[in-house]
Amino acid sequence: GQSLEQPSEVTAVEGAIVQINCTYQTSGFYGLSWYQQHDGGAPTFLSYNGLDGLEETGRFSSFLSRSDSYGYLLLQELQMKDSASYFCAVKPGTYKYIFGTGTRLKVLA
Amino acid sequence: GAVVSQHPSRVICKSGTSVKIECRSLDFQATTMFWYRQFPKQSLMLMATSNEGSKATYEQGVEKDKFLINHASLTLSTLTVTSAHPEDSSFYICSARVAGEETQYFGPGTRLLVL
Repeated sequence: GQSLEQPSEVTAVEGAIVQINCTYQTSGFYGLSWYQQHDGGAPTFLSYNGLDGLEETGRFSSFLSRSDSYGYLLLQELQMKDSASYFCAVKPGTYKYIFGTGTRLKVLA
Repeated sequence: GAVVSQHPSRVICKSGTSVKIECRSLDFQATTMFWYRQFPKQSLMLMATSNEGSKATYEQGVEKDKFLINHASLTLSTLTVTSAHPEDSSFYICSARVAGEETQYFGPGTRLLVL
């Protein structure tokens, strides 16, 4: 089967750094994306890794290791507004996406 | 830019009726649109992928005769839940993608409650 595993919940304080891991097992692999979703809202795109290595976008960075079937999202200088669910998503085919189980991030004051 | 709208945002219907949900890309042309279903506090499950002018591709386990998808133009896709039942109650979200880009732009979602 195809699966993406993430920690269910992560808690951190404002200003801290947090890493959300994603391990995947899929029949194909084109790339790994990360999305943020606030309660009741729609997911918003954060980053995409098609190749191994680190991609940085402001306070967010995403890493991919294809040989390890592993990636992570790194959030720096945490803010209260970062409290949300974060999903990794694998693109195993041209027109297909599989989303991870999701990680609820709680940022404490 | 890159705004996707969905209508309606919420719908309550009786069991056995059909419900149509519209997904529009407001300021760009979407070569591909996706329909997802999300249960409370759970992940997004891809239901189907639609490309403009062609038949939708459904994921395994999704009944194509129950969830009718039409992608009539580069800015509009519709999902019709036919003969809805209480187990169809869920949060339905569409997304749109431009050819050559990896970003999916999601609509705000439609919360369906079937009584």
